[in-house]
Amino acid sequence: AQSVTQLGSHVSVSEGALVLLRCNYSSSVPPYLFWYVQYPNQGLQLLLKYTTGATLVKGINGFEAEFKKSETSFHLTKPSAHMSDAAEYFCAEPNTNAGKSTFGDGTTLTVKP
Amino acid sequence: EPEVTQTPSHQVTQMGQEVILRCVPISNHLYFYWYRQILGQKVEFLVSFYNNEISEKCEIFDDQFSVERPDGSNFTLKIRSTKLEDSAMYFCASTPQGARASYNEQFFGPGTRLTVL
Repeated sequence: AQSVTQLGSHVSVSEGALVLLRCNYSSSVPPYLFWYVQYPNQGLQLLLKYTTGATLVKGINGFEAEFKKSETSFHLTKPSAHMSDAAEYFCAEPNTNAGKSTFGDGTTLTVKP
Repeated sequence: EPEVTQTPSHQVTQMGQEVILRCVPISNHLYFYWYRQILGQKVEFLVSFYNNEISEKCEIFDDQFSVERPDGSNFTLKIRSTKLEDSAMYFCASTPQGARASYNEQFFGPGTRLTVL
C-alpha cells in the first residue's frame, strides 16, 4: 500500500528564513504528489502538484517542491518565510484508481517574528 | 471562484444520535469524497463517489456511514450512531474530471467540526 511520510510534525523558522518541509513517498511506480496547506479553521488548499514533466514544481505563495525519484522525496521549500505562512502542511499522494488521496501526518509550520 | 461548501460549520451531538453532514460540491465536478481529520491526526479517507455510486470506501465505512446525492447539488454523509471517537473535522471534496480524476486537484470544503458528547 502506498504511504506518505512527513518528517517533523512541527517546524519553526524565523521570518525571512528558508522553509523546508519534508515528504517521502513509498510507491514503487512514479507517483503523483500534492502539497496542501490548511490555515487555522479552514479547509485544505492546494499549494502545488507534481504529475509528469518538470521535477521542480512551483506553486502559490512562493512555494516550490522538487520531485526526486532517487530519494523518493518531494520536499516543499520557500526561500523566505512570512508570518502568513504559519499553517499546517500536508503532503498527499492520489490513488490512481479511485482518485482518493493518501495524506501524510502533516507538519505544523510556525513562523517567529 | 466556485468553491465547495459544507453545512453546518460545527455540529454538537449526543453519543448514539444520527448526524447528517451536508456538502455542495462544485457544480461541474464529477467525483466526490469525504475525509475526516481527528484532532491531531492525519486526514483520513472515508469514501469516494462517482456516477451515483460509491467508488471506494474505507474499511469501517459500512459499519457507521452512508452517503447520498439526493439531488443534483447536495452530497451528504450520514453517521448512523455517533461515538465519542467520531469527534473530528469532516471534509468534503470534489474533483472535476471523471477520467484520471486522481491527477486532478481535489477541491476541499471548509469542513464541519463534529463534537460528540
